[in-house]
This record gives sequence, structure tokens and C-alpha cells, in this order.
Amino acid sequence: QLQLRESGSGLVKPSQTLSLTCAVSGVSVSSGAYSWSWIRQPPGKGLEWIGYIYQSGSTNYNPSLRSRVTISVDRSTNQFSLKLNSVTAADTAVYYCARRIDMATIGYKWFDPWGQGILVTVSS
Amino acid sequence: DILMTQSPPSLSASVGDRVTITCRTSQSISSYLNWYQQKPGKAPKLLIYAESTLQSGVPSRFSGSGSGTDFTLTITSLQPEDFGTYYCQQSYNTPYTFGQGTKLEIK
Repeated sequence: QLQLRESGSGLVKPSQTLSLTCAVSGVSVSSGAYSWSWIRQPPGKGLEWIGYIYQSGSTNYNPSLRSRVTISVDRSTNQFSLKLNSVTAADTAVYYCARRIDMATIGYKWFDPWGQGILVTVSS
Repeated sequence: DILMTQSPPSLSASVGDRVTITCRTSQSISSYLNWYQQKPGKAPKLLIYAESTLQSGVPSRFSGSGSGTDFTLTITSLQPEDFGTYYCQQSYNTPYTFGQGTKLEIK
């Protein structure tokens, strides 16, 4: 059964870099049928898509975060990662990793499943 | 960016009721619309993709409809376990965007 699990530091100081990893089990991140995404949710607020990466390494980022975000994939460990630099309190959120499914024949895409999420607090 | 507007922001309904949540988009997105359910402290769960296709394992009391800019999530015969917050999401283009959520409470 496919599972995703986030890990990383739950507390980051302002101006530093947030680093998270998503461990994938049950399917290879090298599968060409999927891409791998990060989505975040500030406490008590809605969802914001951060970006995704294909197994090839090709990425697509939200323009609102593009200058600060890097998503990478490690096929050897079946994981993918998120780095967000120059963080501020506004980056405090629960960060989710998720598989992006793309029905190439007709173009529909959706996120399923999601990891459990990890709360990252930006504070000195 | 495509703006997603859900209504109502919250609602309270009784077991057995029929519930409708709407999602309006700022531009036409054909049927590139997904619905998720989120329970407190948990990750969102996919309910419906491509406007009306029920995800495997999701009860048939959930259904989706619409196209273009106006979409609807309907729950027929509301059950106690259906409480939570519901989000619509467009996958027409990036950046993918979500509605602000509709919080459903069971009376």
C-alpha cells in the first residue's frame, strides 16, 4: 500500500532554510506515471500548493515561492525533498507531501494520497 | 492564478440531510476540479477527481457535478462521519489553487 511520510525539523529560525523529506513506500518515485508534490497549510487556514517534481528531475513551482523553493528527488532512497530558504513567520505551516497523479490521456490531475503532515514553526 | 470561491464557509446539518457545497472558479476550468475532505488534525483525503469521478473506497453518497466555472459537491443522506472541512481544487493549470474550505458540522 502506498504511503508517504514527512520528516524534518519542526522548528526553524527566521532567515534560515526549511528542509523536509518525504519517504515513499509502496511505489517507486522513479515511476513515470506520477510526480511528487508539496502542499502546505498555515494553522487554521487553507491549502497552498508549493510545487512538484517528476522522476526525471523536472520541476514546477508556485510562482509565489519559486525564488525560495527547491524540490529534489532521490531515487536511491525512494524519497523526495523540499527546501525553502529565507523563511519568515509566514512560512509557519503544516507541510504535506503528496503524489500527483496525471491522467496523461485526458489531462486530469489530482493529489492522492497525502502524507500525515509535519508542522514547521518559524521562530527565533 | 485561478481564484476558487467556496460557499458556504460553514454549515450545520443533521444526519440524513442532503448537503450541497458549491465551488466557483474565476475562469473556466472545464472539468479539472477535485474535492477533498479534511478532518481535524489529519491530511486531506481525495473524494472526487475530474469533477465527478468518485475515488475508490469513497461512499456513493458523495457526488460531484458541474463544469466550466460552477461546481457542486453533494452528500446525500449525511452520516456522522462526514464532519470535517471540504476543499475544492483546480488542476486546469499551475499554480494549482484550492478553495478556502467549507466546514461541515453535524447537528
